[in-house]
Amino acid sequence: GAVVSQHPSWVICKSGTSVKIECRSLDFQATTMFWYRQFPKQSLMLMATSNEGSKATYEQGVEKDKFLINHASLTLSTLTVTSAHPEDSSFYICSAETGRNSPLHFGNGTRLTVT
Amino acid sequence: AQTVTQSQPEMSVQEAETVTLSCTYDTSENNYYLFWYKQPPSRQMILVIRQEAYKQQNATENRFSVNFQKAAKSFSLKISDSQLGDTAMYFCAFMKQGGSEKLVFGKGTKLTVNP
Repeated sequence: GAVVSQHPSWVICKSGTSVKIECRSLDFQATTMFWYRQFPKQSLMLMATSNEGSKATYEQGVEKDKFLINHASLTLSTLTVTSAHPEDSSFYICSAETGRNSPLHFGNGTRLTVT
Repeated sequence: AQTVTQSQPEMSVQEAETVTLSCTYDTSENNYYLFWYKQPPSRQMILVIRQEAYKQQNATENRFSVNFQKAAKSFSLKISDSQLGDTAMYFCAFMKQGGSEKLVFGKGTKLTVNP
């Protein structure tokens, strides 16, 4: 089955530093990947749609300069949280589609804690 | 814009019994997909079942089945013979038919299966 690998699974960083999270499709090519954020006991909120070879499409209210997304290949998308602050602490999950109108497959998520 | 509503924040069921989780949605689209995802404590998002809006027949996947009422915009999930491993958050999700469409999630229902 389709496997999406997300790394790291957890990270602790100091306020003001940047953190990069990787999302890889291991056995398929993904032209589109999605980045979600999930606060404790809440649902997944879409942050942005990552398109291979082009700029990401951000949801309303998501700061483009803070959450940098790069989708340089068909199997890798990265989310960089720049100048992280404690309020950026959250669970970040990526997903990828295996084909048109196919169900999304999710990575295992990354728990980010900013101290 | 599409919205997904799950009106039951928490539910519980005895092992081996049946439970139904509710989901309603709002859309002006005619062609779309509906999903139920399970998120256990590990926080991995697992696809439980999928329904194409153009299909009248309700989807079934082993112990999981749905009651899809397109006119009423209702999409409930029935879990039969509940098992302890079914304890998790369950998210109902909507996706427009098309290319690279995002998932819109409900707020989730926390299901606890009691021994």
